[in-house]
Amino acid sequence: EAGVVQSPRYKIIEKKQPVAFWCNPISGHNTLYWYRQNLGQGPELLIRYENEEAVDDSQLPKDRFSAERLKGVDSTLKIQPAELGDSAVYLCASSRNSPLHFGNGTRLTVT
Amino acid sequence: DQQVKQNSPSLSVQEGRISILNCDYTNSMFDYFLWYKKYPAEGPTFLISISSIKDKNEDGRFTVFLNKSAKHLSLHIVPSQPGDSAVYFCAEVKAGGTSYGKLTFGQGTILTVHP
Repeated sequence: EAGVVQSPRYKIIEKKQPVAFWCNPISGHNTLYWYRQNLGQGPELLIRYENEEAVDDSQLPKDRFSAERLKGVDSTLKIQPAELGDSAVYLCASSRNSPLHFGNGTRLTVT
Repeated sequence: DQQVKQNSPSLSVQEGRISILNCDYTNSMFDYFLWYKKYPAEGPTFLISISSIKDKNEDGRFTVFLNKSAKHLSLHIVPSQPGDSAVYFCAEVKAGGTSYGKLTFGQGTILTVHP
């Protein structure tokens, strides 16, 4: 089966600019996750979707971060405006009553 | 407060020997622990899990041990191979949620297996 696909792989932006990440989960996986991994740390959950509904967004910084999962398939994560501290790897994962399958992530560098 | 801790940032072993990766946790209310492996520039991939009702789970060269009284789990890789060189994360799935729902990860341990 095709894995979780994320784009872009790398993104470099200046602070205060907007940025968006895209994720296509494994076909049939109804649960989708966005995680953020800072250097030297484990991934931390930002938001979890069950189909198109965000069921856990308690750790999403809502003043600058937003996410959507239209039609319960693909998802986008947006940051506006970006700050230096947002530099990290943003990982998308999906599952269906199974351990999470992760994409290869988007490495964001904010200068 | 870190609920899942991997206190060893790195581990180096010789090919063919045993690798032991450790993880400590503070929350006793969990359903599963999972181990993920991560190669550079790739996402984490699931390796093995253990439920709260067991103290051991084995899959080929990989065995995970759970010591609930000590709030400690470990991953044993025997024999270790150079291809096992990666970052290993333990992760906790909290009790009462959807299976495999919110994972809380440790900081990771870099394993290097020398030929």
